[in-house]
Amino acid sequence: DAKTTQPNSMESNEEEPVHLPCNHSTISGTDYIHWYRQLPSQGPEYVIHGLTSNVNNRMASLAIAEDRKSSTLILHRATLRDAAVYYCILSPLSGNTGKLIFGQGTTLQVKP
Amino acid sequence: DAGVIQSPRHEVTEMGQEVTLRCKPISGHDYLFWYRQTMMRGLELLIYFNNNVPIDDSGMPEDRFSAKMPNASFSTLKIQPSEPRDSAVYFCASSLMAGGGAGETQYFGPGTRLLVL
Repeated sequence: DAKTTQPNSMESNEEEPVHLPCNHSTISGTDYIHWYRQLPSQGPEYVIHGLTSNVNNRMASLAIAEDRKSSTLILHRATLRDAAVYYCILSPLSGNTGKLIFGQGTTLQVKP
Repeated sequence: DAGVIQSPRHEVTEMGQEVTLRCKPISGHDYLFWYRQTMMRGLELLIYFNNNVPIDDSGMPEDRFSAKMPNASFSTLKIQPSEPRDSAVYFCASSLMAGGGAGETQYFGPGTRLLVL
């Protein structure tokens, strides 16, 4: 399985944008990029996913590098509720087993 | 929909006792996943089912762990006998399709916090 690398932790100020990076240099052409987050004392929740093009939804934006070896999750205006562990996960399209392999993720701290 | 429901939310037991964790997936979801989360090992996939059939149990730590899905609306994860190192948060998740390359979302329950003394 292709691996992802994320910083262990990041800090942000409330109401400012946050850019969470993820490196995935061994990504294959058919790997989807998923982002989940886990709020304190809760189960993980889906944030966004993409394949090649940048994606936007009500929670965040996903910017994917042209070579797909890295991606960035963008929270446009961080709130205190966005403090969580953010996981970047790759999952293959072909022969998909439904598995999501979670790494250590990035712990985001949001300061008021 | 109420989302994925897990019970109990907390369980404290003594070493050697049997522990049964329960999960009710979202109605209509064909895939059910069991995960375990610890500080040391993070979030690990234990086993997953498709249409009530176990597909991959390679993450199950040892024979003390077993999982069943007798019908589409119920699954159990059993530990017998339990050991202190089994202390963790156990999550159940479900998805409509294979929650991965197809981009299908996995929906997680609130978890069961297990403490084995």
